[in-house]
Amino acid sequence: GAVVSQHPSWVICKSGTSVKIECRSLDFQATTMFWYRQFPKQSLMLMATSNEGSKATYEQGVEKDKFLINHASLTLSTLTVTSAHPEDSSFYICSSRAGANVLTFGAGSRLTVL
Amino acid sequence: GDSVTQMEGPVTLSEEAFLTINCTYTATGYPSLFWYVQYPGEGLQLLLKATKADDKGSNKGFEATYRKETTSFHLEKGSVQVSDSAVYFCALSGGGNNRKLIWGLGTSLAVNP
Repeated sequence: GAVVSQHPSWVICKSGTSVKIECRSLDFQATTMFWYRQFPKQSLMLMATSNEGSKATYEQGVEKDKFLINHASLTLSTLTVTSAHPEDSSFYICSSRAGANVLTFGAGSRLTVL
Repeated sequence: GDSVTQMEGPVTLSEEAFLTINCTYTATGYPSLFWYVQYPGEGLQLLLKATKADDKGSNKGFEATYRKETTSFHLEKGSVQVSDSAVYFCALSGGGNNRKLIWGLGTSLAVNP
C-alpha cells in the first residue's frame, strides 16, 4: 500500500537554529501533502496544505515565514521550522492522499528545542 | 465550528476484554466520520469510516456506527488483543466542499496479556 516516509523521526536543536523535516511519498505521486502539528494532550492541528509546484496554503494563525514549506517534486515536501524556539517543540506529522479519499500519514517527527 | 470529543485515556484492558472508546461530534451538514489508529512508532492509519447516518464501519474486529440522533461514532471491539495497543483517533470530515479533517484528542489503549 501507499507509504509516506517522514524524516527525522526526532530531532533536538538549540534555540535560534532552523530544522528541516522531510516528507516523502514512496510509491505514489503526491500533488498535495498536509502538515499537522500535535501538542501534548491536544488533537492534531492542520498547519498547511503543501501543493507541488506552487505556494503552500497556510491555516489561519500559522506563520508562513516561521514554518517554510517547499513541495518541489511529486514525492517530496519539506517543512522548515526557522529560528526555532522552545514553544515550537511539538510533534509534526505529514500526510498525503493516495487515491480518491485515502489519507496516508507519516510516522511523525518530534522536535525538541532547547 | 465542527468539533470532535473523544473519551480521555489511557485505557488499560486485559486481553479478550470488551472495548468501547466514545466519540461524539458537532458538525453542520453531513460529515463523514473516521477512526484512525497509530501503533507505536508508526504513522496514523485509517481503521474504519462511515459516510452517512446508520452506516457501520468495520475492520480488524473493530466496529463503529454513525448515529446521527446521538451525534456519536463510538468504537467497539468484542475481544481486544495485545496487538491492539495503540492510540486511537476519532475524526470528522465536513460535508460539502469542506473536507478538512477535524480530530479528537486521541485515546491511548494498552492491552495487557
